[in-house]
Amino acid sequence: QVQLQESGPGLVKPSETLSLTCTVSGYSISSGYYWGWIRQPPGKGLEWIGNIYHSGNTYYNPSLKSRVTISVDTSKNQFSLKLSSVTAADTAVYYCARDCNGGSCYHNFDYWGQGILVTVSS
Amino acid sequence: DIQMTQSPSTLSASVGDRVTITCRASQSISSWLAWYQQKPGKAPKLLIYKASNLESGVPSRFSGSESGTEFTLTISSLQPDDFATYYCQQYNSFPYTFGQGTKVEVK
Repeated sequence: QVQLQESGPGLVKPSETLSLTCTVSGYSISSGYYWGWIRQPPGKGLEWIGNIYHSGNTYYNPSLKSRVTISVDTSKNQFSLKLSSVTAADTAVYYCARDCNGGSCYHNFDYWGQGILVTVSS
Repeated sequence: DIQMTQSPSTLSASVGDRVTITCRASQSISSWLAWYQQKPGKAPKLLIYKASNLESGVPSRFSGSESGTEFTLTISSLQPDDFATYYCQQYNSFPYTFGQGTKVEVK
């Protein structure tokens, strides 16, 4: 069974860089598909941050593109998110998910991590 | 960016009711639409993919349909476990975009 788990600091200071890692088990990232980050501010809706393909190609939300970097480490079966110059508006639950989209799979985000709350505050 | 307009934002219903949620795309997305269910404190759960395909393990009372750029999620007979917030999302092109969400609450 595919499982994803987010990890990283729950508190980040304004202007600093938010860094999160998603560890995948039950499926090898190098086997294929996209891997994505989605966030949800408290009490609000879902916002797609970006995706990375297993080969390393990245796709970002234009609203965040100047501050976002997503990378993959296939040796550790992990992918990571960095969001720079954070403000209080970046306070949210951050989810990682598998985007099963391509080949014979069209399920989009079929497996999700449990989410991690990141608060931006001094 | 493709805008997804979801309605209603809140829906009050009773157990056994037939519930319909609508999502309209600002341009053609073919059938590249997913529906998710989210309960408080939990990650979204995929219900429907490619507009009308039921994800494995999801009860058959959930169904999806499409007509042009309008997509519908239907719950044929609302069950106690179905009170939650539902989101549509297009994955026709990047950036992926979500609808604003529909909260299904107890009437």
